[in-house]
Amino acid sequence: EAAVTQSPRNKVAVTGGKVTLSCNQTNNHNNMYWYRQDTGHGLRLIHYSYGAGSTEKGDIPDGYKASRPSQENFSLILELATPSQTSVYFCASGDAGEQYFGPGTRLTVL
Amino acid sequence: GQQVQQSPASLVLQEGENAELQCNFSSTATRLQWFYQHPGGRLVSLFYNPSGTKHTGRLTSTTVTNERRSSLHISSSQTTDSGTYFCAIDNNAGAKLTFGGGTRLTVRP
Repeated sequence: EAAVTQSPRNKVAVTGGKVTLSCNQTNNHNNMYWYRQDTGHGLRLIHYSYGAGSTEKGDIPDGYKASRPSQENFSLILELATPSQTSVYFCASGDAGEQYFGPGTRLTVL
Repeated sequence: GQQVQQSPASLVLQEGENAELQCNFSSTATRLQWFYQHPGGRLVSLFYNPSGTKHTGRLTSTTVTNERRSSLHISSSQTTDSGTYFCAIDNNAGAKLTFGGGTRLTVRP
């Protein structure tokens, strides 16, 4: 199974601050994804990437940027964090078939 | 866009009972994946099953593509099966999955 790691695992930020969530995968998958999950809901896609240098908007991209500097790394950036971005964020990687998920980052914006 | 409906939203079983979880989707799926989310939050892939039937242990996934539905059957449930089960669909052979709202399963001893 693909190994996907995320850092930090927990983060408390202040409104208006900048937050960067990092994701690393070690199985050489081309595609990587950022989702958020809110209480009682499924996952919603924020941004994704087809490979190094590429980023694509998902279903809820507003307020978020993404960066894919290498095959292994994919970051999610909140330039001006807001309380509505308090959530659990999951990174995933995959190719034409299955997606494999990281353990999640719990972000609280005060 | 693609819509994915899961039912029931929640289910409570006594240990040893069977469960049938349903997933219906609005467009033909080229990819379909079932996930289990631990109470602690980690998502684990159970099945990649865009068509047909697959088995692993006490779990069986059946997808009927032309009827736009998939099911996950859990036999002889155990307390460790408790958690949330999601199905997710991609309908355009691209990279994106759309998730259903999940079924929260509680298995009591």
